Amino acid sequence: QVQLVQSGAEVKMPGASVRVSCQASGYSFEMYGVNWVRQAPGQGLEWMGWIGVYSGNTNYPRSLRDRVTMTTDTSTRTVYMELRSLTSDDTAVYYCARDDDSSDWYNMLWWGQGTLVTVSS
Amino acid sequence: DIQMTQSPSSLSASVGDRVTISCRASQGIRNDLGWYQQKPGKAPKRLIYAASSLQSGVPSRFSGSGSGTEFTLTISSLQPEDFATYYCLQHSRYPPTFGGGTRVEIK
Repeated sequence: QVQLVQSGAEVKMPGASVRVSCQASGYSFEMYGVNWVRQAPGQGLEWMGWIGVYSGNTNYPRSLRDRVTMTTDTSTRTVYMELRSLTSDDTAVYYCARDDDSSDWYNMLWWGQGTLVTVSS
Repeated sequence: DIQMTQSPSSLSASVGDRVTISCRASQGIRNDLGWYQQKPGKAPKRLIYAASSLQSGVPSRFSGSGSGTEFTLTISSLQPEDFATYYCLQHSRYPPTFGGGTRVEIK
């Protein structure tokens, strides 16, 4: 079965960077895109970007384009999301979510368990 | 960007009630909309895809309707395990956008 397993919780100082991983299993890794979505405490869901695992192509929203980078490692079936120049506003649970279909981008079906990133001095 | 306006933001209902949640898109999105359920501390779970198709394994009391700009999620008879927050997601136009969420609480 499809599984996305994310790395553990992180605590970071303001101005630092964080890298969250998402290891996939149970499907053909390179066939599907992966999204990242975050949720600040008590708030709604915010899409952070997408990576096409086969192509390496990425799409990021304007609001995060300067600070986020998504990469993949096909040898370990892992997708990474790095966020730089952290502020307290970046405190959130970060989720990876796989596309439902290889040609249906952003239509998220399978989700990781979430990774809490806390930014605090 | 397409704005997804979800209403109400919260509601109180009793077990057995019929519940309706709406999402309105600022532009037409065909039927490229999904509905998600999220319980505290858990990842979202997709209930409905393509506006009205029931995800495998999801109880049939959940249904979706709509196309273009107006969409609805209906729970025909609310069960105790349905108390959660619900989100719509449009993936028709870049960037994908979520509705603000509807929290369904016990009356």
